[in-house]
Amino acid sequence: GIQVEQSPPDLILQEGANSTLRCNFSDSVNNLQWFHQNPWGQLINLFYIPSGTKQNGRLSATTVATERYSLLYISSSQTTDSGVYFCAVGTSGSRLTFGEGTQLTVNP
Amino acid sequence: KAGVTQTPRYLIKTRGQQVTLSCSPISGHRSVSWYQQTPGQGLQFLFEYFSETQRNKGNFPGRFSGRQFSNSRSEMNVSTLELGDSALYLCASSWTSGVFYEQYFGPGTRLTVT
Repeated sequence: GIQVEQSPPDLILQEGANSTLRCNFSDSVNNLQWFHQNPWGQLINLFYIPSGTKQNGRLSATTVATERYSLLYISSSQTTDSGVYFCAVGTSGSRLTFGEGTQLTVNP
Repeated sequence: KAGVTQTPRYLIKTRGQQVTLSCSPISGHRSVSWYQQTPGQGLQFLFEYFSETQRNKGNFPGRFSGRQFSNSRSEMNVSTLELGDSALYLCASSWTSGVFYEQYFGPGTRLTVT
């Protein structure tokens, strides 16, 4: 099956810093989503981005489907950005395959 | 519009028992998928239901089963619980079945098996 790799696995930042999270996938995909898992476990939708670039406030994402990677940019990070960020890809049906996540810690 | 809801939020069961978890999708959504999250295995797909039919199934033993009702609400059942079934169980809904539709997740049910 498809492999999804996220990097870095852990990231520690000072408030106000910028960061880039990467997601590589091993095969063509028709669906790519970025999620933020809050401390209570819920997955919060950030982007649905099988290709192209999107922006939402301080967050933006780019997927280059032909090169099989996606990037999530977080600018001017805040302590509330802390948590685990997941990339998930779909190839058939509604099934998503998740990466192992990036644990982000933003210190005040 | 209300989000995906899951009940109960927390559950403690004893090894050998069975458990039923419930998921109500976003209004109008007809596809419901279930995922298991553990520290060791990460997030893994269990199964998907659409129009009361199982569309897709992950690599889990037959002790894990599910169903969907005509109102799109879904339940999953785990029989003969094992310690390794302790996990966060997440439900996701989308408008219909297929890769081109965004998935939305509920808050999860945290199951502890003792």
